Amino acid sequence: ETGVTQTPRHLVMGMTNKKSLKCEQHLGHNAMYWYKQSAKKPLELMFVYSLEERVENNSVPSRFSPECPNSSHLFLHLHTLQPEDSALYLCASSQDLNRASGELFFGEGSRLTVL
Amino acid sequence: LAKTTQPISMDSYEGQEVNITCSHNNIATNDYITWYQQFPSQGPRFIIQGYKTKVTNEVASLFIPADRKSSTLSLPRVSLSDTAVYYCLVGATNDYKLSFGAGTTVTVRA
Repeated sequence: ETGVTQTPRHLVMGMTNKKSLKCEQHLGHNAMYWYKQSAKKPLELMFVYSLEERVENNSVPSRFSPECPNSSHLFLHLHTLQPEDSALYLCASSQDLNRASGELFFGEGSRLTVL
Repeated sequence: LAKTTQPISMDSYEGQEVNITCSHNNIATNDYITWYQQFPSQGPRFIIQGYKTKVTNEVASLFIPADRKSSTLSLPRVSLSDTAVYYCLVGATNDYKLSFGAGTTVTVRA
């Protein structure tokens, strides 16, 4: 069982829908991240949370809204998306920000398709 | 952030050793070198991290010369299941904006 669990694994939505991606980590980590990976492109960092506080919003459009209710859970709320937002959305966690590069633990991702 | 350069792709055969070299000419004094592996439609997985000389674990070895301007990830006796994208990251341990870059796609053939 992976330490970072993402649901759903696959999501298809229309441009007017509202949906959410969920991430849960069972590792006792204090930092959590959302990354986007589009086809044939490198991973893009979207948001970073440390102890439930957002510390980074990497110029992400407002149609993506993160939420971190506690240190174990991270959500990405999706609203009025565009087809170019179709991608693999990856959640990750690390012990804390001071060890961010040391070991990031990733979930298996949520494959999003926007029609 | 230190810029890294690694080959786009490499081919190998089962049982061979694969060495992937990453160049990072402007590495800073407090930067570490970290490698991740990613299979299709999965999140990356940490492989190894080092600062200088040689680091070895059950999966790979990391060789770092004295000037630290490059590093080589060595995968001993690869199998088909080692086919993946391998990323070289360089940054301080508290650098949470590390860039994964394009990585090196390693294809292992029977």
